[in-house]
Amino acid sequence: GAVVSQHPSRVICKSGTSVKIECRSLDFQATTMFWYRQFPKKSLMLMATSNEGSKATYEQGVEKDKFLINHASLTLSTLTVTSAHPEDSSFYICSARGPDTQYFGPGTRLTVL
Amino acid sequence: RKEVEQDPGPFNVPEGATVAFNCTYSNSASQSFFWYRQDCRKEPKLLMSVYSSGNEDGRFTAQLNRASQYISLLIRDSKLSDSATYLCVVKPGAQKLVFGQGTRLTINP
Repeated sequence: GAVVSQHPSRVICKSGTSVKIECRSLDFQATTMFWYRQFPKKSLMLMATSNEGSKATYEQGVEKDKFLINHASLTLSTLTVTSAHPEDSSFYICSARGPDTQYFGPGTRLTVL
Repeated sequence: RKEVEQDPGPFNVPEGATVAFNCTYSNSASQSFFWYRQDCRKEPKLLMSVYSSGNEDGRFTAQLNRASQYISLLIRDSKLSDSATYLCVVKPGAQKLVFGQGTRLTINP
């Protein structure tokens, strides 16, 4: 089946630094990718929808200047958390729209100290 | 009102038991429905799609009631490996998926 990878799987950083997370579709082209965030014991919340070659569409309440999304190719989307703070610590999951459903990456656990 | 609502549980049942989860959704125009399974600290994985006629996959049966905007999942003869969080997922439009909070299930030996 289709596979989506994420890198890194885990990152610990100091407050104020920026962190980039990569999401790749490995065996299919994804014109649309999605970025989710999940806090402990909470549901996945869609942050933004990323379309190749165009600006991402952000969900209400998500700061586009803080969470920078780039979808420069059909197999790669990146999420950059700028000036990260402890409240940004969460599980970030990307998803790519494949031929028949959405495929999820394994997630990136971000801890901001 | 949340777009997708689930009983968060937790459900603790003995191995071999039958367990049922329910979910309601608010957008009556929703067209696609799914159950996902998420293990601790892992990404969600598609368990099964849900069709109006109801569908079965081995020990798992999913039902959809459009009039009541209600989705269910039944697990028969539960196994220890069924322990996970089960997510009710609705696709209200062409693009995004909307996830319920999830119902945590623990199967006890």
